[in-house]
Amino acid sequence: EVQLVESGGGLVQPGGSLRLSCSASGFTFSSYAMHWVRQAPGKGLEHVSSISSNGGSIYYADSVKGRFTISRDNSKNMLYLQMSSLRAEDTAVYYCVKDIVVVVVVRAFDYWGQGTLVTVSS
Amino acid sequence: DIVMTQSPDSLAVSLDERATVNCKSSQSVFYSSNNKNYLAWYQQKPGQPPKLLIYWASTRESGVPDRFSGSGSGTDFTLTISSLQAEDVAVYYCQQYYSTPITFGQGTRLEIK
Repeated sequence: EVQLVESGGGLVQPGGSLRLSCSASGFTFSSYAMHWVRQAPGKGLEHVSSISSNGGSIYYADSVKGRFTISRDNSKNMLYLQMSSLRAEDTAVYYCVKDIVVVVVVRAFDYWGQGTLVTVSS
Repeated sequence: DIVMTQSPDSLAVSLDERATVNCKSSQSVFYSSNNKNYLAWYQQKPGQPPKLLIYWASTRESGVPDRFSGSGSGTDFTLTISSLQAEDVAVYYCQQYYSTPITFGQGTRLEIK
């Protein structure tokens, strides 16, 4: 059974930093691109960042480029999102998400974690 | 950026009746080299993460009931629930993955009439 478990969310002041982690199990983690998708309270879905299966290709939405860093450790089946210079508009539930196709980065998402809430407020 | 527009924003349908959600993209999401439409549908119930229902516009994800179907090509797509069940109450999102930035529709809230 595929499981994605996020951690690291919480309350942070504007301008602060936070590191999200996602522990993956139940599939060959090193064979799939992984993504972060966020959802502001009561709002829709926004794709934040993607990383290819080997970490060699990375994408960021313009809204987080230069502030967020995605990474992965295939030896530990872990995905990370380092967030800095956080703003109020970054407040959201952040989901760790698995790509639907092996190896190729497609950016459709077949498994989602339960999410971790990041609140940016003073 | 490709803008995804869903209609209607909300929908109330009687149990066992058909429900239809539409999604229109501002540009074609059809890739002729592999004959695929880069369009997915998700279902999100309150307090839960989204769940993939349909990808490549019409391929049903494993385990999704066959009352859910996707159709369309190019810029116009439809999610159909052939016989609405109580457990189908949710918000439904379409998503294009043809090009970055990946974009979602604004969501359609489906309720029981």
